[in-house]
Amino acid sequence: EPEVTQTPSHQVTQMGQEVILRCVPISNHLYFYWYRQILGQKVEFLVSFYNNEISEKSEIFDDQFSVERPDGSNFTLKIRSTKLEDSAMYFCASSEWSGTQTSTDTQYFGPGTRLTVL
Amino acid sequence: KQEVTQIPAALSVPEGENLVLNCSFTDSAIYNLQWFRQDPGKGLTSLLLIQSSQREQTSGRLNASLDKSSGRSTLYIAASQPGDSATYLCAVRNRDDKIIFGKGTRLHILP
Repeated sequence: EPEVTQTPSHQVTQMGQEVILRCVPISNHLYFYWYRQILGQKVEFLVSFYNNEISEKSEIFDDQFSVERPDGSNFTLKIRSTKLEDSAMYFCASSEWSGTQTSTDTQYFGPGTRLTVL
Repeated sequence: KQEVTQIPAALSVPEGENLVLNCSFTDSAIYNLQWFRQDPGKGLTSLLLIQSSQREQTSGRLNASLDKSSGRSTLYIAASQPGDSATYLCAVRNRDDKIIFGKGTRLHILP
């Protein structure tokens, strides 16, 4: 069964460093998402991406964050200058949803990347 | 601003019982609502998705209902099993395309 994959599973970085989290969505999916979950807290939406551009972003997704689809398979989240409070589990998700009645918005999540900022 | 609340925060029931998890949301202008389960230290697994025009969805022992006008959804689990132990999350997709999650209900099925 197709699945969303994420690398690395765990990333440790120093405060102020840049990190890139990588995701490979399910191949025929069109909509991509990043979420984060700080330990013990709820899952928070960061950004959605459709048709090679950001569809929507939350207040959390400030200028320190960016997303990119550099090729036909990868979807990346970059944090330019990490802060201690960026430590969290970051989840990528994808869905086949194209906004039409026949497509489904069921989101499939990857296993997550645990980011630890020291 | 959309807020999603899940009650109870935690629930323990003996194996075999039927149970209901609740999710409420403050803004009824949604595209859809999705129920997930999350196992400790793992990602989220989609269980059921209900479009805003639908009233319920069923998959196996799970049944999810949606009453958009009152801002409520329930997840019904029949004949619970120890393997059902997990955190159950509901998430709504707003008309502005943002997705808002509840804090979840931690379910423990006692063998």
